[in-house]
Amino acid sequence: KAGVTQTPRYLIKTRGQQVTLSCSPISGHRSVSWYQQTPGQGLQFLFEYFSETQRNKGNFPGRFSGRQFSNSRSEMNVSTLELGDSALYLCASSRSKVGSGRNDEQFFGPGTRLTVL
Amino acid sequence: KQEVTQIPAALSVPEGENLVLNCSFTDSAIYNLQWFRQDPGKGLTSLLLIQSSQREQTSGRLNASLDKSSGRSTLYIAASQPGDSATYLCAVLTQGGSEKLVFGKGTKLTVNP
Repeated sequence: KAGVTQTPRYLIKTRGQQVTLSCSPISGHRSVSWYQQTPGQGLQFLFEYFSETQRNKGNFPGRFSGRQFSNSRSEMNVSTLELGDSALYLCASSRSKVGSGRNDEQFFGPGTRLTVL
Repeated sequence: KQEVTQIPAALSVPEGENLVLNCSFTDSAIYNLQWFRQDPGKGLTSLLLIQSSQREQTSGRLNASLDKSSGRSTLYIAASQPGDSATYLCAVLTQGGSEKLVFGKGTKLTVNP
């Protein structure tokens, strides 16, 4: 059974540009969550999507957005990139919505390493 | 606001030693607690998940305990091996309308041959 896949694995952008990252969940999983990992702040929750709807959102500016498609694949977009957006972006999927108490264990992908110059 | 703390930040041990990693959290309103392993530059591998109603979980050489009332969890690794070298992260799944994993900063473990 294939795990969570994320594309691209590495990205280099310059300040002011925008970027789109993609996440394909494990087959049968309907919830996708996104996290940002930096050396200073550690892992921080960005948002969760379930059945194409954003359920929860972390404390990030509006430049960070996402969406989920009918096949559960998800994308996140960061507009007007800043140097501080350089990070490892991790996606996680679960069969059910997070916090449902059943089948909500999250499985993580390998991440996308974004470097902003 | 939920905060998760992991002590120590780094740990170096000789091969074969038994060791304990510590995790503490400030708010007991959690659904579950997970321990993850992260190798350099890689994603997270789930090691153990303990539901809030459980006290411990075991998988092979790993044993994790949870004391929700005191806000503490420990990960016990028996007979450590060089392949166990990685960063170990603890995360709690918060309750209260905004369900999300809140992570500690991790413990970087080095097992020396």
